[in-house]
Amino acid sequence: QEHLVESGGGLVKPGGSLSLSCAASGFTFSDYYMSWIRQAPGKGPEWVSYISGSGTTTYYADSVKGRFTISRDNAKKSLYLQMSSLRADDTGVYYCARVDLHWLLDHWGQGTLVTVSS
Amino acid sequence: DIQMTQSPSSLSASVGDRVTLTCRANQTIRTYLNWYQQRPGKAPKLLIYAASTLQSGVPSRFSGGASGTDFTLTISSLQAEDFATYYCQQSYSTPRTFGQGTKVEIK
Repeated sequence: QEHLVESGGGLVKPGGSLSLSCAASGFTFSDYYMSWIRQAPGKGPEWVSYISGSGTTTYYADSVKGRFTISRDNAKKSLYLQMSSLRADDTGVYYCARVDLHWLLDHWGQGTLVTVSS
Repeated sequence: DIQMTQSPSSLSASVGDRVTLTCRANQTIRTYLNWYQQRPGKAPKLLIYAASTLQSGVPSRFSGGASGTDFTLTISSLQAEDFATYYCQQSYSTPRTFGQGTKVEIK
């Protein structure tokens, strides 16, 4: 059974940094693109970043480009998101999600809350 | 970026009602349209992909349709567990954008 568990969220001041992790189980992690999706309070989801199975291909939304870095460790079956220069509009629940070969987000974690506030 | 517009933003309905939600893309996305269901406090869950294909395990009361750049999600007989927010998402081009959601509430 596929399972994704995020961790690392919390309260951070504007301009600060935070690192999120996602532990995967129940599937061959290295076979899949993985993504970070965020959802601001009361808003629709936003696809923040994705990374290929090998880690060689990455994508970032314009809103986070240059500030966020996605990475993965296939041996540890883990996905990461390093966030820096955080702003108030980065506040929201951050989900890791598996991307299937048709670009569908077919499995999601439970999410971790990031709050950027002074 | 492709913009996805959902309507209505919310609706009230009773158990057993037939409801139809709409999503419109501002340019062609062929049938690269997916629907997700999000219950309060939970992660979104994939319901329908390629406009009309049900994800494994999704009840047959859910169905999807497409006409040009207009897409529909229909629930034929609303059940208690269907009260949630529904999001459409295009997977035609990057960034793969979501709509703002339709909240289905109990009347």
